Amino acid sequence: SAVISQKPSRDICQRGTSLTIQCQVDSQVTMMFWYRQQPGQSLTLIATANQGSEATYESGFVIDKFPISRPNLTFSTLTVSNMSPEDSSIYLCSVVPGLGSDTQYFGPGTRLTVL
Amino acid sequence: AQSVAQPEDQVNVAEGNPLTVKCTYSVSGNPYLFWYVQYPNRGLQFLLKYITGDNLVKGSYGFEAEFNKSQTSFHLKKPSALVSDSALYFCAVKGGFQKLVFGTGTRLLVSP
Repeated sequence: SAVISQKPSRDICQRGTSLTIQCQVDSQVTMMFWYRQQPGQSLTLIATANQGSEATYESGFVIDKFPISRPNLTFSTLTVSNMSPEDSSIYLCSVVPGLGSDTQYFGPGTRLTVL
Repeated sequence: AQSVAQPEDQVNVAEGNPLTVKCTYSVSGNPYLFWYVQYPNRGLQFLLKYITGDNLVKGSYGFEAEFNKSQTSFHLKKPSALVSDSALYFCAVKGGFQKLVFGTGTRLLVSP
C-alpha cells in the first residue's frame, strides 16, 4: 500500500472563491484519481490525474471547474473553482501504487463546506 | 457498463452475532470486486478484493467475502460483529483504466 496525505483536512469557504486541495504520496505511484463524496452519498469519480499532461475528466466534470495538476509521480492538486454551496462535499484522492496492483488506496479526504 | 448494487441502506446486528452486508454486481467480462469501509470523518480503507481464485476471500479486521458467480453476488461477512465495526461499507467494481464504480453504501450498526 501507500501512505497518502491530504491538505487541508477540512475548510469552510465563501461562495465564489476557490480552494486547492493537495494530495501527497510517500512513494511513486502509477495512477492518481480524485473523487467527490456529496453528503450522504457514494463516491463519484471526478478525474484521473495524469502525470505531466491534462487530467482525464468524467462525464459531468470539467476542467474549468475542477482544474487538476500532477507535476510528478507523488503529488497532485485539485482546485474547486468559483465555489457554490452545492460543492460542499468530501474530496478524496486515491492511488494505484504500481503497474501490477489492482487496488486503489484512498487518502483521508478533505471536507469542504461552502457558505 | 460495470455496476454494483447494495440493496440495504442499513444493517443492524447485535455484538457477537454474524453479519452480512450484501452486494450484487453487473459486469461484462471477469469481475474485479472490492470492499471498502469508511469510519466517521475518515477516508476509505481497503478491506478485501476478489480478482480470481477461491470464492471465499479473507481480508482485514476479520472480514471475509463470498464471490458467487451464478448469483452475481459478493457479500461481505464476519462471524462475530464488534461495536467498533459500525461504519459505512462500500462495494466497488473495477471498470476501465483502473477506475472504480462504487455502490451506494450500507451503514452497519452493531449494538452492544
